[in-house]
Amino acid sequence: EAQVTQNPRYLITVTGKKLTVTCSQNMNHEYMSWYRQDPGLGLRQIYYSMNVEVTDKGDVPEGYKVSRKEKRNFPLILESPSPNQTSLYFCASSPWDTYYEQYFGPGTRLTVT
Amino acid sequence: TQLLEQSPQFLSIQEGENLTVYCNSSSVFSSLQWYRQEPGEGPVLLVTVVTGGEVKKLKRLTFQFGDARKDSSLHITAAQPGDTGLYLCAGASSGSARQLTFGSGTQLTVLP
Repeated sequence: EAQVTQNPRYLITVTGKKLTVTCSQNMNHEYMSWYRQDPGLGLRQIYYSMNVEVTDKGDVPEGYKVSRKEKRNFPLILESPSPNQTSLYFCASSPWDTYYEQYFGPGTRLTVT
Repeated sequence: TQLLEQSPQFLSIQEGENLTVYCNSSSVFSSLQWYRQEPGEGPVLLVTVVTGGEVKKLKRLTFQFGDARKDSSLHITAAQPGDTGLYLCAGASSGSARQLTFGSGTQLTVLP
């Protein structure tokens, strides 16, 4: 089954404790992206990648890191999480030439206390 | 940063009624997408419109892209409870950056 998987689905952590949210897709897509979703603000793009070893900042990259060492994986790293990073996070992937038609993962709900 | 404004933010209607959701921007987009999201899930693509003035129909849903490619609308005819969900518009950047900008969403509730 074609899908985007994220792990973990739920995470509660404390301020400053480094964490990684994994994202993997099995559709051989070149484009991958991370978003955060907050009430009333819609989805905001954090980082995106057009291919292996190519990453670009989205609209809200501060406090986040990403890497794209393999085509299928695009982990999101929070080196020192803060409470304002409490949010619902989505990973998405798509073919390079139709990057706007994205397949989304199920989401990761992160709470930073 | 390109911005997309959606209206209304919330909409609660009775089954069988018609409704229209609007997505507006001052920026030009190369294409515009509509996604639908249900609780506990990621957004799912409904449609892509590319050409200014384009109209696409998906059963009871009609999508229109503005002539200037700055705005779009989603019209639902004879809404059903199964249409309940968060509707998001998203614009693809017209420049070299391959970014998707999302609107803030319209939460639609269709009451039986």
